[in-house]
Amino acid sequence: GAGVSQSPSNKVTEKGKDVELRCDPISGHTALYWYRQSLGQGLEFLIYFQGNSAPDKSGLPSDRFSAERTGGSVSTLTIQRTQQEDSAVYLCASSPYSNQPQHFGDGTRLSIL
Amino acid sequence: AQSVTQPDIHITVSEGASLELRCNYSYGATPYLFWYVQSPGQGLQLLLKYFSGDTLVQGIKGFEAEFKRSQSSFNLRKPSVHWSDAAEYFCAVTAGGTSYGKLTFGQGTILTVHP
Repeated sequence: GAGVSQSPSNKVTEKGKDVELRCDPISGHTALYWYRQSLGQGLEFLIYFQGNSAPDKSGLPSDRFSAERTGGSVSTLTIQRTQQEDSAVYLCASSPYSNQPQHFGDGTRLSIL
Repeated sequence: AQSVTQPDIHITVSEGASLELRCNYSYGATPYLFWYVQSPGQGLQLLLKYFSGDTLVQGIKGFEAEFKRSQSSFNLRKPSVHWSDAAEYFCAVTAGGTSYGKLTFGQGTILTVHP
């Protein structure tokens, strides 16, 4: 069956621009997570969704970062006024319920010029 | 706060040799523990998990891991490494019970396999 799908796979943008990253979880998975992977910080949790609600946004680095999930399915992570330190791979994961093994997408590699 | 330490940043082994990747965690209660593998340009693939019960868990691709509460460790092992095992390996922990599963990762261990 289809796995977690993320788009775009690569995104290059200029500093100061806004970007939107998309995640399509596995069908029927109620829990959805965003992580960020960077050379300096490793893998970091950003935000968790259960259905359309986000009970934990504690990993979002600043108010430039926001995320939403609609229909209990697709999620978008938006970064406003991008900075060079936002360059990283953004990974999305989903699981059937919370606290079950997570299935990861291949990520979006974001490069800020 | 929970944390995970993978002491070895880079390990090199010969094909056919045995492998052990170390993982130590810090967490007050019984955690849920995972090993993931990442090939270049790919996402993370789950190798195995420990929730409870038998402390020796079997995973995919011939990997196994042993949970040792007294040592706060969850080391990954494989008896005979194949060239295709070259990748980066991540140990991860989350709180058990009613937690929602936010993963805390170690820094990763890069495995190189020599022919």
